[in-house]
Amino acid sequence: GAGVSQSPRYKVAKRGQDVALRCDPISGHVSLFWYQQALGQGPEFLTYFQNEAQLDKSGLPSDRFFAERPEGSVSTLKIQRTQQEDSAVYLCASRDSEETQYFGPGTRLLVL
Amino acid sequence: GNSVTQMEGPVTLSEEAFLTINCTYTATGYPSLFWYVQYPGEGLQLLLKATKADDKGSNKGFEATYRKETTSFHLEKGSVQVSDSAVYFCALSRSGGYNKLIFGAGTRLAVHP
Repeated sequence: GAGVSQSPRYKVAKRGQDVALRCDPISGHVSLFWYQQALGQGPEFLTYFQNEAQLDKSGLPSDRFFAERPEGSVSTLKIQRTQQEDSAVYLCASRDSEETQYFGPGTRLLVL
Repeated sequence: GNSVTQMEGPVTLSEEAFLTINCTYTATGYPSLFWYVQYPGEGLQLLLKATKADDKGSNKGFEATYRKETTSFHLEKGSVQVSDSAVYFCALSRSGGYNKLIFGAGTRLAVHP
């Protein structure tokens, strides 16, 4: 079946621009996670959804970061007024009932 | 807090060599442990996992044993192939709750013919 998909795969933004990153999880997966992966590092947790409820946003680095999942399926991570330090790969994962998280290919964001 | 430490790379091996990538963790309670692999140009894929002490996860010739006494989950493979070249990430998730993953920094493996 289809895996987790993310779009766009690459995004170049000028500093100060707003961006929106989309995640389509595996159909039927209740749990959805966003992670940020800096170059040469492991992914770091940003936020977690159970259906449409955002139960943990403790990893969001600032109030410029906002995530939503209004209908409990597709999720969008929005970054307002992007800064150079926001450059990273943003990963989305959905989880099955066996605790396994399935990752999308990521969106590579470069802020100039 | 919870954390994962894995050996720094890159690890460079000849084909058919034995592989060990060390991973140790700090966690409260009894976390689940994972190895994820990231092939060039691809997303993270689960390689193997173990959910309790002394469990051995295995897949594609790779193995790792959950050692609570040494808080370790070292990845091993008896004979690596060029196609195993990738970045390997060790990760844990706390027991209970919603199980966010905490990753190590990753270890790059390069296998040459």
